[in-house]
Amino acid sequence: QSALTQPRSVSGSPGQSVTISCTGTSSDVGGYNYVSWYQQHPGKAPKVMIHDVSKRPSGVPDRFSGSKSGNTASLTITGLQAEDEADYYCCAGSYTLIFGGGTKLTVL
Amino acid sequence: QVQLVESGGGVVQPGRSLRLSCVASGYNFGSYAVHWVRQGPGKGLEWVTIIWYDGSNKYYTDSVKGRFTISRDNSKNTVYLQMNFLRAEDTAVYYCARGASTAASTLDYWGQGTLVTVSS
Repeated sequence: QSALTQPRSVSGSPGQSVTISCTGTSSDVGGYNYVSWYQQHPGKAPKVMIHDVSKRPSGVPDRFSGSKSGNTASLTITGLQAEDEADYYCCAGSYTLIFGGGTKLTVL
Repeated sequence: QVQLVESGGGVVQPGRSLRLSCVASGYNFGSYAVHWVRQGPGKGLEWVTIIWYDGSNKYYTDSVKGRFTISRDNSKNTVYLQMNFLRAEDTAVYYCARGASTAASTLDYWGQGTLVTVSS
């Protein structure tokens, strides 16, 4: 099974908004409402930012939001801050999971 | 607080074996599935395997089927990953993560990772 498709990189200035897309198939992204997003800073373990398409764990700023349409999920970050600069991975599936290739977010 | 701690990584020759451990604390271990996820050097995350809360079901990504075996000992709050016939492409940081939410689809807590290097 091929990885979910994400843009390699996105960028934005502080205060701006960015959206990261994640495209899969009807067997993964489109088949379940089990899409999650992970933030990973260099040398650190990933951290869940969004789960079940649009649910935000406690402690995650409400600047982070998720959505899905058909086979494509999206992560939107509003009011960009310097600490948001990281790699972001989408993930989908029921028990067996598949990750996206990752997107490097640069805050200019 | 919830913690997962991996151990057992190291340098191993191709074709040899290694066993990783993941010790969990701070939650009811026997009520949650556990996943292993790996990340090759400079690469993205790759899901490897899952074991259900009671060990009754296990699933693997195709590239490790027949070579890797996941198991758990709920009396020791520990999940194991037995890796046999290791290949260079198995070189990665291996993370264990708790599977939460419906279908264990949310990896809500992760360990710090343990590095496995397969090289002659």
